[in-house]
Amino acid sequence: KQEVTQIPAALSVPEGENLVLNCSFTDSAIYNLQWFRQDPGKGLTSLLLIQSSQREQTSGRLNASLDKSSGRSTLYIAASQPGDSATYLCAPAIRTDKLIFGTGTRLQVFP
Amino acid sequence: DAGVIQSPRHEVTEMGQEVTLRCKPISGHDYLFWYRQTMMRGLELLIYFNNNVPIDDSGMPEDRFSAKMPNASFSTLKIQPSEPRDSAVYFCASSPTRLLSYNEQFFGPGTRLTVL
Repeated sequence: KQEVTQIPAALSVPEGENLVLNCSFTDSAIYNLQWFRQDPGKGLTSLLLIQSSQREQTSGRLNASLDKSSGRSTLYIAASQPGDSATYLCAPAIRTDKLIFGTGTRLQVFP
Repeated sequence: DAGVIQSPRHEVTEMGQEVTLRCKPISGHDYLFWYRQTMMRGLELLIYFNNNVPIDDSGMPEDRFSAKMPNASFSTLKIQPSEPRDSAVYFCASSPTRLLSYNEQFFGPGTRLTVL
């Protein structure tokens, strides 16, 4: 059974810092991995999707890396801003159509 | 595109009542997913459909839960009878069929259900 853990569970940082959010999963046989953002009381917004054959994916200030063999993915956020405050979820796909969600990292960026 | 649409956004009901949650996926998407999110268990997949056919309902907690997708643009998740432990946020998501390993999921805003 795939288990997904995210560290840290919560993070509070001043504006401008570069951040690292970690995701680990127990079964390396995944098809892809998605990173989502969830704002309080809202749905999930897809940030990045990394295919199993890729090692990283970038979108603006976000960069996600994937190391399938070690069961790890990392989300880097450069020059953090207060608007980045949200919960970040990683979700590896154990089949092409089935995501298993991590426990989430709750991020607060203060001015 | 309006994205995934869910209704109602909030539902408060009493124990024992029937609850029906509705979802309209993004037009052209072949997959539809129902998730439940609670503080204790996080985000869990309940059931998903491909081309209106249920593929995996192993996450449906009990027989009190049922889901249907009568056509490509509409799905319902029904709880009958509802119980206080069903209180959660229920999300619907949809995904297109693209190249293998690239099926990005798009989520609706969720329905916050409170069962008293």
